[in-house]
Amino acid sequence: EVQLVESGGGLVKPGGSLRLSCAASGFTFSSYSMNWVRQAPGKGLEWVSSISSSSSYIYYADSVKGRFTISRDNAKNSLYLQMNSLRAEDTAVYYCARVSELVPAAFDYWGQGTLVTVSS
Amino acid sequence: QSALTQPASVSGSPGQSITISCTGTSSDVGSYNLVSWYQQHPGKAPKLMIYEGSKRPSGVSNRFSGSKSGNTASLTISGLQAEDEADYYCCSYAGSSTGYVFGTGTKVTVL
Repeated sequence: EVQLVESGGGLVKPGGSLRLSCAASGFTFSSYSMNWVRQAPGKGLEWVSSISSSSSYIYYADSVKGRFTISRDNAKNSLYLQMNSLRAEDTAVYYCARVSELVPAAFDYWGQGTLVTVSS
Repeated sequence: QSALTQPASVSGSPGQSITISCTGTSSDVGSYNLVSWYQQHPGKAPKLMIYEGSKRPSGVSNRFSGSKSGNTASLTISGLQAEDEADYYCCSYAGSSTGYVFGTGTKVTVL
């Protein structure tokens, strides 16, 4: 069974940093592109960042470029999101989501999400 | 990159069919046959319902179908059931420099 479990969310002050993790199991993690998608309270979904299976290709939404860094450790079956210079508008539930070559450009499995709150 | 445009709400009675539109541009929906649709119940993670515009993942009911014409994609739910009441989001791949763009979301209410 595919499982994605996020952790690391919490309350942080504006300008602060936080590192999110996503632990994957039930599939060959090193073969899949991974993504972070966020959802502000009561709002819609927003794609944040993507990383290819071997970390060769990394992309970011303009809203987080230069502040967030996506990475992965295939040996540990883990995905990460380092978030720096956090702003109030970064407050959201952050989901990790998988993209499969068999289901191209679509997020076929999602974690349960971790809440990040940026507030003084 | 602006969000794709969806109606804020759509409603229907049990057994009826409803269609949710998703309007983008020639840079996203119109350029790629890579539109996906997600169902999200309150407090839950999104669930993939349609990918590549019209394909259903294993386990998704055939009451859900997708299509695309020009810059607009559509999701149709036939034989509406109470369990279909949820928020629905479209999403389009928009190229490597832009990534993915989600729709504004549509709340489906079963009357």
